[in-house]
Amino acid sequence: RKEVEQDPGPFNVPEGATVAFNCTYSNSASQSFFWYRQDCRKEPKLLMSVYSSGNEDGRFTAQLNRASQYISLLIRDSKLSDSATYLCVVPNQAGTALIFGKGTTLSVSS
Amino acid sequence: DTEVTQTPKHLVMGMTNKKSLKCEQHMGHRAMYWYKQKAKKPPELMFVYSYEKLSINESVPSRFSPECPNSSLLNLHLHALQPEDSALYLCASSHPPGSGYEQYFGPGTRLTVT
Repeated sequence: RKEVEQDPGPFNVPEGATVAFNCTYSNSASQSFFWYRQDCRKEPKLLMSVYSSGNEDGRFTAQLNRASQYISLLIRDSKLSDSATYLCVVPNQAGTALIFGKGTTLSVSS
Repeated sequence: DTEVTQTPKHLVMGMTNKKSLKCEQHMGHRAMYWYKQKAKKPPELMFVYSYEKLSINESVPSRFSPECPNSSLLNLHLHALQPEDSALYLCASSHPPGSGYEQYFGPGTRLTVT
């Protein structure tokens, strides 16, 4: 299994839709996980941190399944402004750095 | 508003030039990072500084030379670069070193090597 693996998409959804992204990871000892959002030609910005089973922030919900070693990000009531690339990020085996997934591209249309 | 700043925003340099990228963070973090990002790829880790000491060098060519003058500043000195080094260079910082803490990124320097 690769250290971090994401479905690259693109996911094309209409406004108001619910969309979910999955991410699998190989380091079973990981205790923390992150979702970053990156707009075109901009820096990655932290969207959510996940330290236990999950986290919710408004329309965004992240869930962690340690047994299956995957993390999901659910976006409800999609907005045009949600269009971006979503990066799944987990610690490396040594716990010394973060490993970025290749990203999932979301395009929300009106 | 980001609390990690980077200068310059854009840089065009020839293969014989020497230039430096600068990063400053105002978050009290003690770990700072340099990443390189090519179009449609995720950020690739280059260097990690932990308490102002270089702790990770991801086999980066010596034409890239990092420097951490103090806990708030991080530089990347560039010399004799190649066109394939053209990319977005991102600086990030985090609380005590280690991957359990969120990293915050600066806006990046978009570098073009001609």
